[in-house]
Amino acid sequence: EDKVVQSPLSLVVHEGDTVTLNCSYEVTNFRSLLWYKQEKKAPTFLFMLTSSGIEKKSGRLSSILDKKELFSILNITATQTGDSAIYLCAVDQTGANNLFFGTGTRLTVIP
Amino acid sequence: NAGVTQTPKFRVLKTGQSMTLLCAQDMNHEYMYWYRQDPGMGLRLIHYSVGEGTTAKGEVPDGYNVSRLKKQNFLLGLESAAPSQTSVYFCASGGIGHGDGEQYFGPGTRLTVT
Repeated sequence: EDKVVQSPLSLVVHEGDTVTLNCSYEVTNFRSLLWYKQEKKAPTFLFMLTSSGIEKKSGRLSSILDKKELFSILNITATQTGDSAIYLCAVDQTGANNLFFGTGTRLTVIP
Repeated sequence: NAGVTQTPKFRVLKTGQSMTLLCAQDMNHEYMYWYRQDPGMGLRLIHYSVGEGTTAKGEVPDGYNVSRLKKQNFLLGLESAAPSQTSVYFCASGGIGHGDGEQYFGPGTRLTVT
């Protein structure tokens, strides 16, 4: 059975801390892994990863994929209260027409 | 560009009532999706469409129907609402060739069934 597992389920940190969010997957015909950020409403796209070992970076956020060990991490450095959100990981499969989502990690950044 | 819009934003139904949720996108995307999001369950796919006039079942299709009569619109219907359908519903759209991966989400509809 295909699955995407995110950990931790929730995390509380102080501003300025660095956090690492994890996403492991077991799916057939893997094509790409995507990270989304969901604040109060719609998820918004962060990264799409297709190749192992190539880091994607956007400001204080970065992500990398390990296709051998079947996981991805999302790093956030120097966290700010605006980083508080649910972070969703999803997998895209060849031959499928939809994304398969994990349950998300709820990050809370306190001042 | 409005992106993906959903109406209504909130709705309260009584058990057995019916309603239709409307999703519209102005990005000329071929693919459209309906998800529901429940606490601790992540996003689960209800139905999706790979083009005008086509629909297909997702992970949790029971109790819902959909229609894609126009490329820009994707309707989700509940014929006889049940309390188990209390959830937040998200519509999303994506470009041609699903290898693009990225989906664009609407703001969501919060539905409560009493």
